[in-house]
Amino acid sequence: AQSVTQPDIHITVSEGASLELRCNYSYGATPYLFWYVQSPGQGLQLLLKYFSGDTLVQGIKGFEAEFKRSQSSFNLRKPSVHWSDAAEYFCAVDAGNMLTFGGGTRLMVKP
Amino acid sequence: DTEVTQTPKHLVMGMTNKKSLKCEQHMGHRAMYWYKQKAKKPPELMFVYSYEKLSINESVPSRFSPECPNSSLLNLHLHALQPEDSALYLCASSPAGTGPQPQHFGDGTRLSIL
Repeated sequence: AQSVTQPDIHITVSEGASLELRCNYSYGATPYLFWYVQSPGQGLQLLLKYFSGDTLVQGIKGFEAEFKRSQSSFNLRKPSVHWSDAAEYFCAVDAGNMLTFGGGTRLMVKP
Repeated sequence: DTEVTQTPKHLVMGMTNKKSLKCEQHMGHRAMYWYKQKAKKPPELMFVYSYEKLSINESVPSRFSPECPNSSLLNLHLHALQPEDSALYLCASSPAGTGPQPQHFGDGTRLSIL
């Protein structure tokens, strides 16, 4: 069975600092991976996805993620965080039209 | 702006009430989903509809009854809910077909059971 682990429940960074959110997955076949962001009181917005090809994928809002098969990881990065990036971030793996989500990482941004 | 519209945004109901949640999308997607999300937790899949037919039911109690009247509309009928059913209910849609497709989520209905 597939699973996704986000080791960091909370992360606090200063505005303008770089960000890396960790995601590890367990899936027997080729993983199809996603990062979603959820602001308070809202639904999930797709940031980026990895299906195949280039292991460094670019997303919206200046985010990027790198797929590393050897480490079973799909970490999300942003070079300079803005206060508006404060939200909950979910990594997910697709297993046949069924998304399995990690537990989420809550990002707080200090001014 | 979300392309998946959910109504109502908030719903408070008693345990004996019957109510329905509505989800609508006009992106031509043929797969639609219901998720339940408790506070500080990830979404949990409840139901999947593919081409208007129920394809996945994740052992959801019968007090939740989904319906897909057409390719744009998905309903969730609620009856005799319990306090633990209070949660954010999210609808999503995606293109149906072979291979993975990203799901597009609505903003959810926040449900409170008295």
